[in-house]
Amino acid sequence: GAVVSQHPSWVICKSGTSVKIECRSLDFQATTMFWYRQFPKQSLMLMATSNEGSKATYEQGVEKDKFLINHASLTLSTLTVTSAHPEDSSFYICSAKRGRASYNEQFFGPGTRLTVL
Amino acid sequence: AQSVTQLDSQVPVFEEAPVELRCNYSSSVSVYLFWYVQYPNQGLQLLLKYLSGSTLVKGINGFEAEFNKSQTSFHLRKPSVHISDTAEYFCAVSKATDSWGKLQFGAGTQVVVTP
Repeated sequence: GAVVSQHPSWVICKSGTSVKIECRSLDFQATTMFWYRQFPKQSLMLMATSNEGSKATYEQGVEKDKFLINHASLTLSTLTVTSAHPEDSSFYICSAKRGRASYNEQFFGPGTRLTVL
Repeated sequence: AQSVTQLDSQVPVFEEAPVELRCNYSSSVSVYLFWYVQYPNQGLQLLLKYLSGSTLVKGINGFEAEFNKSQTSFHLRKPSVHISDTAEYFCAVSKATDSWGKLQFGAGTQVVVTP
């Protein structure tokens, strides 16, 4: 099957520092990767969409300067939370889609729990 | 604008009993519909999807869903649940016109199966 990994699985940082989260598709090349944020007991909210080699497209209300996304290769995308604050604490989930068809399955990573003190 | 509504936040069910999880959507354009399951400490996994054609869709683990265009619903069913079906279930839609296939999720339904 298609496997997506995230690293780290959890991270605790001090307010004002930056945190990088990696998302890798382990056994397939992902044409598109997505980043979501999930609050406790709530749904996944799409933050941004990225294609390899091009700039990410952010959803309305998501600060692109705070949440930097780099899609360096067909198997790796990174999300950097810059100058993190306690309100950025959340569960961040990535997904990866292979192929060009819009209805192709997205494969999800296990998520990264970020806690900002 | 489109929206996805899961009418039940939590559904308790006894083992071997049937379960139905309700999902309604609204959209001004045609959509694709999905059901995902999230087990504790695992990534979301696709149960099934509706793209077109037959309105009854069968998925993995004995789940099925029926697309009802007139009622804009896509309810998920399983005739007999197991303890292992305890999980969070998410309904999601994407616009058929969206080339990237961005998903919009419902709030989720927590299914708790007890012996």
